[in-house]
Amino acid sequence: QSALTQPASVSGSPGQSITISCTGTSSDVGSYNLVSWYQQHPGQAPKLMIYDVSQRPSGVSYRFSGSKSGNTASLTISGLQAEDEADYYCCSYAGSNTVIFGGGTKLTVL
Amino acid sequence: QVQLVESGGGVVQPGRSLRLSCAASRVNFGSYSMHWVRQAPGKGLEWVAVIWYDGSEKYYADSVKGRFTISRDNSKNTLYLQMNSVRAEDTAVYYCATPEDDASWFYFDYWGQGTLVTVSS
Repeated sequence: QSALTQPASVSGSPGQSITISCTGTSSDVGSYNLVSWYQQHPGQAPKLMIYDVSQRPSGVSYRFSGSKSGNTASLTISGLQAEDEADYYCCSYAGSNTVIFGGGTKLTVL
Repeated sequence: QVQLVESGGGVVQPGRSLRLSCAASRVNFGSYSMHWVRQAPGKGLEWVAVIWYDGSEKYYADSVKGRFTISRDNSKNTLYLQMNSVRAEDTAVYYCATPEDDASWFYFDYWGQGTLVTVSS
């Protein structure tokens, strides 16, 4: 059960788009379209932003989108805004009724 | 609206035990799976355990298997985590979390505010 691999940090300027990758294996990301993404601001609980690879829960901005290719999932944030600055975690079903998170990515809005 | 409130955290010595609780304000609490997720200071999220809506099935991360036990009391709308033989690496904020739809039990739509467990002598 090794954590999914995410870049430690990404950055972008307001209005730009950024993409955060999440690499797993054929036992988790590659086998199931059950990838989710969470946003966490300092001192707060995480918030679900994407589920089922690319679906947005009610209330989440259209600027957030998800995709997957093989063993790698991606989160794209378009039209970056200051309030997007946060930590982002991917998560995947990993079989045998277990779940695995990525190591997290710190997004800085320049 | 779903509210989750964790309690029971604190300082515990290595090798000792601690029990965390999560009180849920949710209609039909007994219809939804519940999870524990933890976050070590300055680190990422780690899934710990899940319990089915009726308590019939329980699954754990390898890092806690055999030491931690998840349970629930649906009559009290409460989730528990019994932590035995704790180690320094169990130091973390522990969150309870639950899905919006139990068919998608592997998503975490609702989270508590977390309770801090510090393992130290």
